[in-house]
Amino acid sequence: GNSVTQMEGPVTLSEEAFLTINCTYTATGYPSLFWYVQYPGEGLQLLLKATKADDKGSNKGFEATYRKETTSFHLEKGSVQVSDSAVYFCALSGENSGYSTLTFGKGTMLLVSP
Amino acid sequence: KAGVTQTPRYLIKTRGQQVTLSCSPISGHRSVSWYQQTPGQGLQFLFEYFSETQRNKGNFPGRFSGRQFSNSRSEMNVSTLELGDSALYLCASSLADLNNEQFFGPGTRLTVL
Repeated sequence: GNSVTQMEGPVTLSEEAFLTINCTYTATGYPSLFWYVQYPGEGLQLLLKATKADDKGSNKGFEATYRKETTSFHLEKGSVQVSDSAVYFCALSGENSGYSTLTFGKGTMLLVSP
Repeated sequence: KAGVTQTPRYLIKTRGQQVTLSCSPISGHRSVSWYQQTPGQGLQFLFEYFSETQRNKGNFPGRFSGRQFSNSRSEMNVSTLELGDSALYLCASSLADLNNEQFFGPGTRLTVL
């Protein structure tokens, strides 16, 4: 079956530091890949996505590149802000569900201090 | 466009009771999915409905059920509640195209005592 593995947190950074959150996946065929963010007390918001190999998703300074050869979709940001503190989830939707359901990683909490 | 709405936002029940949660998708979205979020298990897929039919189902016991109405609104029901059912239940809607961008509601926080 499909699975997503992401680095455990919390990740603690100072403001303006560089961020990387690793994500690798297992899936048959060509899944679509996503990063979602969850702020305290809220639901999930889509941060970025990539639907085919070598695609780069980007939004709000965050980027991730779909690497099929390494089955990875690492999240990066050049300079984090305190407001980026949240839990980040890597997810995929695969062919076996008609791309209509999401399999999530466990989530990585990011804490950014001023 | 209004986002995905879920009601109620908070619920407290006791073991053995049953509960019904409601989800209204974004207008025009025909697919509704439900997820359970717990600290231990993370986010787990429950089921997905499309055009009033259950199209995909996760690995949950039969106590968890759902349905979708002709206006795409969806409900999920949990019968004979157990302590372990305490969780945040998230609903997501999508156009159900291949890009499958799912939009999540704020969730219903269920506490079972």
